[in-house]
Amino acid sequence: LAKTTQPISMDSYEGQEVNITCSHNNIATNDYITWYQQFPSQGPRFIIQGYKTKVTNEVASLFIPADRKSSTLSLPRVSLSDTAVYYCLVGDRTDKLIFGTGTRLQVFP
Amino acid sequence: DTAVSQTPKYLVTQMGNDKSIKCEQNLGHDTMYWYKQDSKKFLKIMFSYNNKELIINETVPNRFSPKSPDKAHLNLHINSLELGDSAVYFCASSHRLIRGGPIYELYFGPGTRLTVT
Repeated sequence: LAKTTQPISMDSYEGQEVNITCSHNNIATNDYITWYQQFPSQGPRFIIQGYKTKVTNEVASLFIPADRKSSTLSLPRVSLSDTAVYYCLVGDRTDKLIFGTGTRLQVFP
Repeated sequence: DTAVSQTPKYLVTQMGNDKSIKCEQNLGHDTMYWYKQDSKKFLKIMFSYNNKELIINETVPNRFSPKSPDKAHLNLHINSLELGDSAVYFCASSHRLIRGGPIYELYFGPGTRLTVT
């Protein structure tokens, strides 16, 4: 199972773009990269998923380089409500996804 | 119109007691899960059920017994509760797991905070 490494915490200010990078050096060919967001006292919520290159939805963008050994979650113009823990997961089956420690993002006014 | 619901939201009990947590999803998913999030915020899968069939049991003590009466419900019963069982338990659901298939989005419930004293 691919292991992921991401920063423990990040700080930002409202209106800024936030990029959270996740390292997954031993990602397997069939593995997808998925990001979840968790607010305090709530269950995690799916943000975005990708396999390679770039994926964009209404919430975020996911950048994956050609070697797929890392990925970057990009949150455009964050607001206070984006303060949460962000998890990077790598795997080829939903039930094989491992939630690590995540990155605690704190957005300041 | 809650997608995944759990009851109770909070559960405080003494060591040695038996307790149950209920979970229901109205998303029409075939697969349901139980996750445990400890005080250090590590979120670990405990069980997964595919259409009422147990798929995963991640080395969870026998004191934990999931029960799925139908594919919309997955309950968790815990016998002889211990202090180390204190955690937040999340129920989740997704579309049916297929070997080699895509990664489906997990829908999590609000969690049940279990405190064992």
